[in-house]
Amino acid sequence: AQTVTQSQPEMSVQEAETVTLSCTYDTSESDYYLFWYKQPPSRQMILVIRQEAYKQQNATENRFSVNFQKAAKSFSLKISDSQLGDAAMYFCAYRSAGGFKTIFGAGTRLFVKA
Amino acid sequence: DTGVSQNPRHKITKRGQNVTFRCDPISEHNRLYWYRQTLGQGPEFLTYFQNEAQLEKSRLLSDRFSAERPKGSFSTLEIQRTEQGDSAMYLCASYGSLAGDPIAAQYFGPGTRLLVL
Repeated sequence: AQTVTQSQPEMSVQEAETVTLSCTYDTSESDYYLFWYKQPPSRQMILVIRQEAYKQQNATENRFSVNFQKAAKSFSLKISDSQLGDAAMYFCAYRSAGGFKTIFGAGTRLFVKA
Repeated sequence: DTGVSQNPRHKITKRGQNVTFRCDPISEHNRLYWYRQTLGQGPEFLTYFQNEAQLEKSRLLSDRFSAERPKGSFSTLEIQRTEQGDSAMYLCASYGSLAGDPIAAQYFGPGTRLLVL
């Protein structure tokens, strides 16, 4: 069975600085998708960025980028130029290419200091 | 706003009562998911629909829980004889791609927060 592990329950970053959130996963499949979702306090969960496993190039969305290491089964999220609005729970998630179920990690709470 | 709506946003009920939640997904998406999320945890899969067919149910979904999607559009999740352990956020997610984005993903609603007293 696939699992997703986020080993950092909480992280803190100074405004305008860069922070990296860690995620590892376990799977025996070769074709899958990885996601990072953001859930602000009392607000909707939104998709931040995604990565297709068959692509070697790391995905980037504005200030958000990933470091995808397929062999190591690692999928970290880097947030550059952190803003107060980045404060939220961040969930790493996995879905196999042919599957219907998305598996979520336990989340990392990010605090942004002014 | 992802385009997925859920009602009500909050529900407080007494133990033993029945509750029903509604989810309206993005209209072009034929897959719909229900998740449960407790404080400080990630969403846990409950069930999912492909159009009106319920194709998978988690072991978390006891026989007190029932979900429907009668016309392949909106979905309802009913909990009968609620227990205090049912207190959680219930999330609905619409699955598909959006215009201009070929990769399918899950788009979540705002959730219904249930408190069972």
